[in-house]
Amino acid sequence: EVQLVESGGGLVQPGGSLRLSCTASGFTFSSNAMSWVRQAPGKGLEWVSAISGTGIGTFYADSVKGRFTISRDNSKNTLYLQMNSLRAEDTAIYYCAKDLRARVVLDYWGQGTLVTVSS
Amino acid sequence: QSALTQPASVSGSPGQSITISCTGTSSDVGDYNFVSWYQHYPGKAPQLKIYDVSNRPSGVSNRFSGSKSGNTASLTISGLQAEDEADYYCSSYTSSSTLGVFGGGTKLTVL
Repeated sequence: EVQLVESGGGLVQPGGSLRLSCTASGFTFSSNAMSWVRQAPGKGLEWVSAISGTGIGTFYADSVKGRFTISRDNSKNTLYLQMNSLRAEDTAIYYCAKDLRARVVLDYWGQGTLVTVSS
Repeated sequence: QSALTQPASVSGSPGQSITISCTGTSSDVGDYNFVSWYQHYPGKAPQLKIYDVSNRPSGVSNRFSGSKSGNTASLTISGLQAEDEADYYCSSYTSSSTLGVFGGGTKLTVL
């Protein structure tokens, strides 16, 4: 059974940093691209970032480019999202998701972790 | 990269069919068959219902179907059931400098 479990969310001040983790099980982690998707309060889903199975290819939404860094440790079956220079508008539930096609076709999702940016 | 355009809400009675549209551009929906549809209950993980425009993952009811014409994709739910009441999002691969884009979401109400 595929499982994705996010962690690392919490309350952080504007300008601060936070690192999210997503631990995967039930599939060959290194063979799959992965994505982070977020949902701000009262808003829709927003694709944030993706990484190839090898970790060589990384992609970002314009809204987070230059502030967020996606990475992975295939030896630990773990996906990361390093978030720097956080803004109030980054407040959201962050989901990690497994990509079926390496084309943002997300077939399994975690339950999400809440990030709140506020002073 | 602008979000794909979906209607904010649709509604239907049990047993009826509804269709949700998803309009993009020639850089995403129009140029690739990597259009997906997700069902999302508040507080839960989104669930993939349709991928590659019209394919259903194993276990998804055949009441869910997808199609595409030009820059617009569509999700049709037939034989509406109360449990179908949820938010629905389309997404597409894109050739822009980013990789993926979602629609703004459609709230389905089963009357």
